[in-house]
Amino acid sequence: GQQVMQIPQYQHVQEGEDFTTYCNSSTTLSNIQWYKQRPGGHPVFLIQLVKSGEVKKQKRLTFQFGEAKKNSSLHITATQTTDVGTYFCAGPGGGSQGNLIFGKGTKLSVKP
Amino acid sequence: KAGVTQTPRYLIKTRGQQVTLSCSPISGHRSVSWYQQTPGQGLQFLFEYFSETQRNKGNFPGRFSGRQFSNSRSEMNVSTLELGDSALYLCASSLVGAGGEPQHFGDGTRLSIL
Repeated sequence: GQQVMQIPQYQHVQEGEDFTTYCNSSTTLSNIQWYKQRPGGHPVFLIQLVKSGEVKKQKRLTFQFGEAKKNSSLHITATQTTDVGTYFCAGPGGGSQGNLIFGKGTKLSVKP
Repeated sequence: KAGVTQTPRYLIKTRGQQVTLSCSPISGHRSVSWYQQTPGQGLQFLFEYFSETQRNKGNFPGRFSGRQFSNSRSEMNVSTLELGDSALYLCASSLVGAGGEPQHFGDGTRLSIL
């Protein structure tokens, strides 16, 4: 079945360092979504990418969608302690609407 | 606008029992999806309801079931609980469906099986 793989599983950085997480799908995606889950919290939607090669920025966060629409990345510039959490990518499941396939996430810790 | 509300927040059950979890979506949202989150397996899709009909189902045994009411509120039921059912159960809502829309998650119900 369709799979969404995410690496790395964990990332420990010093505050101020950059961070990148990568997402790969076994199938072409119509869109990809990114979520952030703070410790003890629930996933919160960050962004959706739809177009091949699309790049979107949110302050220090840069999201990219690959040309083949099978991979994506999230890059955080100059991490802060508020960036701590798990970042998930998710793509639509096959068939009709109604389900998302999530990657297993990248857990980011930031040392002040 | 109120967010997605899940009740209860915490639940402790023993093996063999059954449990019902509740989810009230954001007002106006008609699609409700359920996910199981565990440290080992991550976020796994259980099922999605839209207009009181189950539209999609993940790869979970029949012990996991759900329903949706006319006001879009949804319930999830797990029968004959097993130790492996211990997890955070998350409900998410969107206007018409998950594939193309952002999901709005509730705080979840943490289920512990003893």
